[in-house]
Amino acid sequence: DMKVTQMPRYLIKRMGENVLLECGQDMSHETMYWYRQDPGLGLQLIYISYDVDSNSEGDIPKGYRVSRKKREHFSLILDSAKTNQTSVYFCASSLSGDKYAEQFFGPGTRLTVL
Amino acid sequence: GEQVEQRPPHLSVREGDSAVITCTYTDPNSYYFFWYKQEPGASLQLLMKVFSSTEINEGQGFTVLLNKKDKRLSLNLTAAHPGDSAAYFCAVRPNQGGSAKLIFGEGTKLTVSS
Repeated sequence: DMKVTQMPRYLIKRMGENVLLECGQDMSHETMYWYRQDPGLGLQLIYISYDVDSNSEGDIPKGYRVSRKKREHFSLILDSAKTNQTSVYFCASSLSGDKYAEQFFGPGTRLTVL
Repeated sequence: GEQVEQRPPHLSVREGDSAVITCTYTDPNSYYFFWYKQEPGASLQLLMKVFSSTEINEGQGFTVLLNKKDKRLSLNLTAAHPGDSAAYFCAVRPNQGGSAKLIFGEGTKLTVSS
């Protein structure tokens, strides 16, 4: 069953706390992504990972870092979260080497930073 | 780099009417295009993907048109029904040597009333 999973689905944190968002996929996709989606807006790419320990900044990487130690797992870390990082975060994966490959999206994590 | 503009941001139609969402892009060499549907509170699901070599693609209840000359991609929902109420996003894969990124439009929130 091709699936992208995200944990947790909902998270409330206080400003200054650390946040860890987890993403998993069972399709052996090399490429994985983290996006955020704010109300009324499209998706903004935070980081892209081409494989284990091969990560690149997206369009809005400031305030975030990522970790990919296994192909099937991709983590997003917020060190000292800020209120403007309140958003819905989506993880996605795709098959690399295939330009026609679509991205498969996880269910999202709704993060609130108070 | 590639830029994508999606219009309209909001669209309200009655059941049975057609609904048209349009995206324009800037890079004439872009070759791969995607439409995603996001139901309220849910993740993004692929609706259709198209090559630039195919101008008309028909799905279940919708048609995707690609005008390469005008660099315009459109999604036409024929005879919309309330179940089509969702946000729709176009995405373009830049033709930049092996890029895995997708450039997303800002989305259209479609409301279909009965």
